[in-house]
Amino acid sequence: AQSVTQLGSHVSVSEGALVLLRCNYSSSVPPYLFWYVQYPNQGLQLLLKYTSAATLVKGINGFEAEFKKSETSFHLTKPSAHMSDAAEYFCAVGFSGGYNKLIFGAGTRLAVHP
Amino acid sequence: KAGVTQTPRYLIKTRGQQVTLSCSPISGHRSVSWYQQTPGQGLQFLFEYFSETQRNKGNFPGRFSGRQFSNSRSEMNVSTLELGDSALYLCASSLSGQNTEAFFGQGTRLTVV
Repeated sequence: AQSVTQLGSHVSVSEGALVLLRCNYSSSVPPYLFWYVQYPNQGLQLLLKYTSAATLVKGINGFEAEFKKSETSFHLTKPSAHMSDAAEYFCAVGFSGGYNKLIFGAGTRLAVHP
Repeated sequence: KAGVTQTPRYLIKTRGQQVTLSCSPISGHRSVSWYQQTPGQGLQFLFEYFSETQRNKGNFPGRFSGRQFSNSRSEMNVSTLELGDSALYLCASSLSGQNTEAFFGQGTRLTVV
């Protein structure tokens, strides 16, 4: 069965510091992996998607994620945090045969302080 | 290009009532999925519709149902509402196929009292 684990429900960084949000997946077949961001009272916005074309995926707003099959991980990073990055971030997995069904992690709330 | 539109944005219902939520996908998108988001359970998949057919379903009771129209617009219905149904209901639209990018609406906040 597919599942997603996000380590750390809350992460706090200083403005300008590295952002690292962790995601591990469990899948018996090669997965499709996504990162979404949710701002208060909003829906989810796609940051990036892994589809096996490249292990390092670049997304919007300066975010990127690296797929590591040996570690079953897909961690999200950004070199320099901005105040506007404060939001909740969700890792999600899709799988072959699942059509467009996504299984989401529990989410990580990112706080950015001056 | 207009995004995914969900109506209404907010809804208050009484236990035992039923409710219908609406979702208009992005033009050209034929797949519509529904998710329930709660603080306790997080984001959970309800069902997906494609070309007016349900092709995937999550683990929710039969009180939760949906449908899709020929113009790809979708509705979900919850009958005999329970307090635990209070949640943000999100609709996502995608192109046809599998594991394509899902574009989410702003959601409908349902409160059951």
